[in-house]
Amino acid sequence: SAVISQKPSRDICQRGTSLTIQCQVDSQVTMMFWYRQQPGQSLTLIATANQGSEATYESGFVIDKFPISRPNLTFSTLTVSNMSPEDSSIYLCSVSSHGTGGGRYGYTFGSGTRLTVV
Amino acid sequence: DAKTTQPPSMDCAEGRAANLPCNHSTISGNEYVYWYRQIHSQGPQYIIHGLKNNETNEMASLIITEDRKSSTLILPHATLRDTAVYYCIVIPGTASKLTFGTGTRLQVTL
Repeated sequence: SAVISQKPSRDICQRGTSLTIQCQVDSQVTMMFWYRQQPGQSLTLIATANQGSEATYESGFVIDKFPISRPNLTFSTLTVSNMSPEDSSIYLCSVSSHGTGGGRYGYTFGSGTRLTVV
Repeated sequence: DAKTTQPPSMDCAEGRAANLPCNHSTISGNEYVYWYRQIHSQGPQYIIHGLKNNETNEMASLIITEDRKSSTLILPHATLRDTAVYYCIVIPGTASKLTFGTGTRLQVTL
């Protein structure tokens, strides 16, 4: 399965600032996703990062708040903009390397970025 | 995608089998059952998946009922390191996104 490197692993940020999280994969992947996990909660999908086009956002998430880039098949970034304490969460990158949900390895996740906004 | 229902929490003694149930009564013919787990502060980890046949790998076994409306993940000899939140997810066979429910928090005790 694909190996994901996600940076930074954690950060403490001032409210009103922005943080860009990077997701690097060791092989070309078809689909890349960004998730948010608020304290004590399950994972919520923010968006699907599309290579060469705008990301597809889930209900409740907007591009102005969470701009996403995906310049190629191995790299994506998520920016958390104009942060407030409510944005304190773990943000996770995920990839599907086989292009189908029934693939042997399914979906792989990065180790996450733990963000605290003060 | 079909919705899944799991018990919020379960306990298991170390060395015993942990049987985690999942209900997916609205599953359709082309949807797979996937299991992931999330150990505290880590990203979710793939465990196993199946379509209609029972499956086994080095981590676990997956038992899917004949009508496919429910399944059970079996950890044959649970250890303390298996303490985690376990997610049962149903997704179609074509490329799709994973939608996580609330999962089952498994606590393995001495």
